[in-house]
Amino acid sequence: NAGVTQTPKFQVLKTGQSMTLQCAQDMNHEYMSWYRQDPGMGLRLIHYSVGAGITDQGEVPNGYNVSRSTTEDFPLRLLSAAPSQTSVYFCASSFGTGDGYTFGSGTRLTVV
Amino acid sequence: LAKTTQPISMDSYEGQEVNITCSHNNIATNDYITWYQQFPSQGPRFIIQGYKTKVTNEVASLFIPADRKSSTLSLPRVSLSDTAVYYCLVGPQGGKLIFGQGTELSVKP
Repeated sequence: NAGVTQTPKFQVLKTGQSMTLQCAQDMNHEYMSWYRQDPGMGLRLIHYSVGAGITDQGEVPNGYNVSRSTTEDFPLRLLSAAPSQTSVYFCASSFGTGDGYTFGSGTRLTVV
Repeated sequence: LAKTTQPISMDSYEGQEVNITCSHNNIATNDYITWYQQFPSQGPRFIIQGYKTKVTNEVASLFIPADRKSSTLSLPRVSLSDTAVYYCLVGPQGGKLIFGQGTELSVKP
């Protein structure tokens, strides 16, 4: 199993550009989430999904869209990048049982 | 979702047992208590989860009193490699999980 795979690992965007952060898991997990982590801060939930076709907003959803067309993939779209979206983005997945969430290695995004 | 309160930072020495307490006064009946560990530049890693009483695995123990309004993560005989941020989360086993500020543990030689 590859676990949770995030691509790209690094990205630099110009203000106003759009892009999609990819997240894929091969563990057949129903639950998937996106978090952002700013320097020296904790993780903040952006969006989450409890299964294919079902998504919901987290703490900081503005400026981001998600979709869950398959169990394996949960892409995060930045609609119009802003410098405030400079952060490290983590994707996570879970069965929803006592083993908790498995996190990816993160995508470091810089918006200039 | 229940809010958690934990110390911002803790110091310890190698070989000591470390106990990190988390308060969650508004925990709901169907909420679980989960702890994660995060090293710099890495995603969080699941440590342990419990609902009530005591849970132990190869890494840590989790103590939960009967009223479930707090919990204590116990790390036996810490080493330098245990230096990390530890997060206490309260919520469902899947779905919407909110991270708090975490406890920065520093283990010294």
